[in-house]
Amino acid sequence: DTGVSQDPRHKITKRGQNVTFRCDPISEHNRLYWYRQTLGQGPEFLTYFQNEAQLEKSRLLSDRFSAERPKGSFSTLEIQRTEQGDSAMYLCASSSYVMGELFFGEGSRLTVL
Amino acid sequence: KNQVEQSPQSLIILEGKNCTLQCNYTVSPFSNLRWYKQDTGRGPVSLTIMTFSENTKSNGRYTATLDADTKQSSLHITASQLSDSASYICVVSAETGANNLFFGTGTRLTVIP
Repeated sequence: DTGVSQDPRHKITKRGQNVTFRCDPISEHNRLYWYRQTLGQGPEFLTYFQNEAQLEKSRLLSDRFSAERPKGSFSTLEIQRTEQGDSAMYLCASSSYVMGELFFGEGSRLTVL
Repeated sequence: KNQVEQSPQSLIILEGKNCTLQCNYTVSPFSNLRWYKQDTGRGPVSLTIMTFSENTKSNGRYTATLDADTKQSSLHITASQLSDSASYICVVSAETGANNLFFGTGTRLTVIP
């Protein structure tokens, strides 16, 4: 399968713990996006990478959130000191150029108890 | 302000019937409009992408229309099937900005036998 893959698909954690999600984009895509989606809502932009450079971050991305894309390949999204409000689906997407079709992964669902 | 509004919020139809979902937007400068299908607990999957010059685009039983003058789009589903039950998200792309995608909150379609 050459689509966008995300891991883990589901994560249950206790409040205050750290969690990390991984995204492997389609190999030739240089643009990678992270979104957060809560129930009944559309995806909300979190951050965007072009190759290894993080070009934009949403104000939703508090200092507890950090994203990396070393070597412009896979990306990780880490949430430190999780809060119940962080419970959501975290979606990763990639595209080959700025106006190109966006391919989404299956998402990583986070539940913070 | 760049916004995307979808209606109705939810819809229930009988299997075999047709339905139309609406999307109104205020995104400027407009680049393209996309419709995605999102099954529960999964990532969105692209159905169509339409640019300014395209009025209609079909993908099997899905037909999207775009009126760039009134800034409206519709997604028509013909001969609905149970597998069409999903959320349908309208996404409008602006010409500028890294975070140039604006998402609607989606229409939740339920097809019943």
